[in-house]
Amino acid sequence: NAGVTQTPKFQVLKTGQSMTLQCAQDMNHNSMYWYRQDPGMGLRLIYYSASEGTTDKGEVPNGYNVSRLNKREFSLRLESAAPSQTSVYFCASVGQVDTIYFGEGSWLTVV
Amino acid sequence: GESVGLHLPTLSVQEGDNSIINCAYSNSASDYFIWYKQESGKGPQFIIDIRSNMDKRQGQRVTVLLNKTVKHLSLQIAATQPGDSAVYFCAENGDYKLSFGAGTTVTVRA
Repeated sequence: NAGVTQTPKFQVLKTGQSMTLQCAQDMNHNSMYWYRQDPGMGLRLIYYSASEGTTDKGEVPNGYNVSRLNKREFSLRLESAAPSQTSVYFCASVGQVDTIYFGEGSWLTVV
Repeated sequence: GESVGLHLPTLSVQEGDNSIINCAYSNSASDYFIWYKQESGKGPQFIIDIRSNMDKRQGQRVTVLLNKTVKHLSLQIAATQPGDSAVYFCAENGDYKLSFGAGTTVTVRA
């Protein structure tokens, strides 16, 4: 059971480049999330998807787009990366009784 | 806006002692709270949760206490071990949105 899998683990981008972070879960969960984590701060919600086919903005959605491709996959896209988007990104999915499972994180640096 | 926060950013504990990590929340309508542990280079891991209809819940070496009157949440770790060194986050879960505090870094001294 792989749980929540994110790719890539590490990425360096130049300002203005685009990229997509991939996330997949094999637990048949309905809800999936994308968070970013910055030094000294808690995880902040970027976007979430309560079910297949739906997405909603979280606390810090600007500069990001998401796609809930199917029940398993929830991708996060940076259309034009900025240095302020340098962060660690975590994907998560919600199971029964609200238990939340996180991926291992994606370290993104924008130079 | 509503927020979830931790009282202290760091906590140093002697191995074998009990640890207490505190968290304050501001949304009185919150009905579900979670504690997470995050080790360096890894994603947050679920430790224990509690619903607002409870005051206390115990797990293996961990206890969560909820005081709804003062909107305070705490995590107690018994007989702290070196492997307990990590960042601990409290979180509030409502409307499919999980809001986290900034975290408390726990360092266990040998």
